[in-house]
Amino acid sequence: GESVGLHLPTLSVQEGDNSIINCAYSNSASDYFIWYKQESGKGPQFIIDIRSNMDKRQGQRVTVLLNKTVKHLSLQIAATQPGDSAVYFCAEAGSQGNLIFGKGTKLSVKP
Amino acid sequence: DAGVTQSPTHLIKTRGQHVTLRCSPISGHKSVSWYQQVLGQGPQFIFQYYEKEERGRGNFPDRFSARQFPNYSSELNVNALLLGDSALYLCASSLGPGDSYEQYFGPGTRLTVT
Repeated sequence: GESVGLHLPTLSVQEGDNSIINCAYSNSASDYFIWYKQESGKGPQFIIDIRSNMDKRQGQRVTVLLNKTVKHLSLQIAATQPGDSAVYFCAEAGSQGNLIFGKGTKLSVKP
Repeated sequence: DAGVTQSPTHLIKTRGQHVTLRCSPISGHKSVSWYQQVLGQGPQFIFQYYEKEERGRGNFPDRFSARQFPNYSSELNVNALLLGDSALYLCASSLGPGDSYEQYFGPGTRLTVT
């Protein structure tokens, strides 16, 4: 069945360092992926998306990389800040217009 | 600009009761999706509506139902509540079928069933 998973449940980084959050997906036919950030007590916040016809997409301080050969997605955050502390989810497009989420990675930024 | 709004923010119900959760999408968005997020997990898809029609349904029992109104707002109803229904219920809006995956989430309704 369709599923999205994450390699690491927690990630701790020093303020100012770069963060890399990884995600594996199982449906090779998926053509759209999104990264969300969820802070405690809030709904998921859209960070960046990428379509399957791209390998890389950059935003402000964030980069998403897509490796379709190994069905792997990653989110890179440059110069990580305390405000980046949150749970990060990758999601892939499902078959009903829905998104399929993994369990999430908790990012903690140490000052 | 107003984002997705949901009400109520928090809700406490007893097993067997019924609950109605409400969602207003971003202005101009015509599609609404509902997700359930159990503590420590990612959101799970429940329903998607567009132009008042159900376009998708996740693997949830018939106790869960929803509808969308002409102004594109939506309600999620859950009957015969179980303890396991305790979760954060998220509403997400998107422009429509062509952009259904670009979803923007509201703050959620925290439902506690005792």
